[in-house]
Amino acid sequence: KQEVTQIPAALSVPEGENLVLNCSFTDSAIYNLQWFRQDPGKGLTSLLLIQSSQREQTSGRLNASLDKSSGRSTLYIAASQPGDSATYLCAGFWNDYKLSFGAGTTVTVRA
Amino acid sequence: GAGVSQSPRYKVAKRGQDVALRCDPISGHVSLFWYQQALGQGPEFLTYFQNEAQLDKSGLPSDRFFAERPEGSVSTLKIQRTQQEDSAVYLCASSFRSMNTEAFFGQGTRLTVV
Repeated sequence: KQEVTQIPAALSVPEGENLVLNCSFTDSAIYNLQWFRQDPGKGLTSLLLIQSSQREQTSGRLNASLDKSSGRSTLYIAASQPGDSATYLCAGFWNDYKLSFGAGTTVTVRA
Repeated sequence: GAGVSQSPRYKVAKRGQDVALRCDPISGHVSLFWYQQALGQGPEFLTYFQNEAQLDKSGLPSDRFFAERPEGSVSTLKIQRTQQEDSAVYLCASSFRSMNTEAFFGQGTRLTVV
């Protein structure tokens, strides 16, 4: 089973600060990596999908990088807002279809 | 539909009761997945369908868990003789193709067994 780790488990920042969320994995033979957002009591919202041939993806204030050799992905959120408060999960594909998830980082952006 | 739809959103079951959880995937999506999410944890894979075929059920915790997708669209996850350890959020996801493409998740069903 592929291990996916997200540290820290929780993070609190003041509004306007840039957020850096870390995801590490043990098996460098990853196909794709996907970042999700989960609000309390809600399902998962897909943020970014990075394919194995890519090193990063960008969407608005979000930028995610993938370094397969070091087993790391980083999600950057620029100029954080209170509405960015949520749990962020990373998940990887190591075969055709099964996602292996980290436990998530819960972010609080203080107004 | 516009997104993956799951029902019910919340279910409280007495221990020993059978439950059925429904998932309506995005129209045209070939792949459908069920995941189980315990409190404070990431989702764990349960089972995978490609159209109507259940290709992987390796994540189902016991033979009390059964999933089907008879017409390659709507799927049902059934749990027989529920136990307290079955309490979790059950998430359904779908994707357009079978090969590691972007997965879209529903809102989940929160099951509480009392």
